[in-house]
Amino acid sequence: NAGVTQTPKFQVLKTGQSMTLQCAQDMNHEYMSWYRQDPGMGLRLIHYSVGAGITDQGEVPNGYNVSRSTTEDFPLRLLSAAPSQTSVYFCASSYSQGSGNTIYFGEGSWLTVV
Amino acid sequence: AQTVTQSQPEMSVQEAETVTLSCTYDTSESDYYLFWYKQPPSRQMILVIRQEAYKQQNATENRFSVNFQKAAKSFSLKISDSQLGDAAMYFCAYRRGAGGTSYGKLTFGQGTILTVHP
Repeated sequence: NAGVTQTPKFQVLKTGQSMTLQCAQDMNHEYMSWYRQDPGMGLRLIHYSVGAGITDQGEVPNGYNVSRSTTEDFPLRLLSAAPSQTSVYFCASSYSQGSGNTIYFGEGSWLTVV
Repeated sequence: AQTVTQSQPEMSVQEAETVTLSCTYDTSESDYYLFWYKQPPSRQMILVIRQEAYKQQNATENRFSVNFQKAAKSFSLKISDSQLGDAAMYFCAYRRGAGGTSYGKLTFGQGTILTVHP
């Protein structure tokens, strides 16, 4: 059971480049989400999805795009990278039912925009 | 909107001693969950403990326990018999209760860096 898998783990981008952070989970979770972690600010929600074909914005969605064509995958796209998007990105998933609905996190993706 | 505040940027404790990390939150909801996550230098997010708001009893997981004061909107984490492996960043987090699109939407505090001295 791989859990939540994020790729790549490390990436350096030039300003203006685009890229996609991949996230996959093998637990058949309905809910998936993306967070970014910046120093002194904890994790902040970028986008989330409650199932295939359904996505919505979180707290800091600008500059990012998502889609959810399958239950397993939830890629995060940076359309035109900016230095302000230098951060650590976490993908997370959970069931929609059940006690407590533990949220499972990926190991993080370190992104540097120069 | 919900907010979570951790007022202690850094804390330190001697090995085998007890330390308490503070967390306060603000919400108008009556049904919600509170969490403490541990983040070691590897950046992995590890769930330490969870508290359901409708439960009066404080959650306990081995050496970790919480003091949940619902009226005061306070949710502190107590680590007993501290070990070197407890050194990490600790995040307090809030999630609305069941229903709607609340799942997967966590609101985090700023984090507290815990140092454990041998």
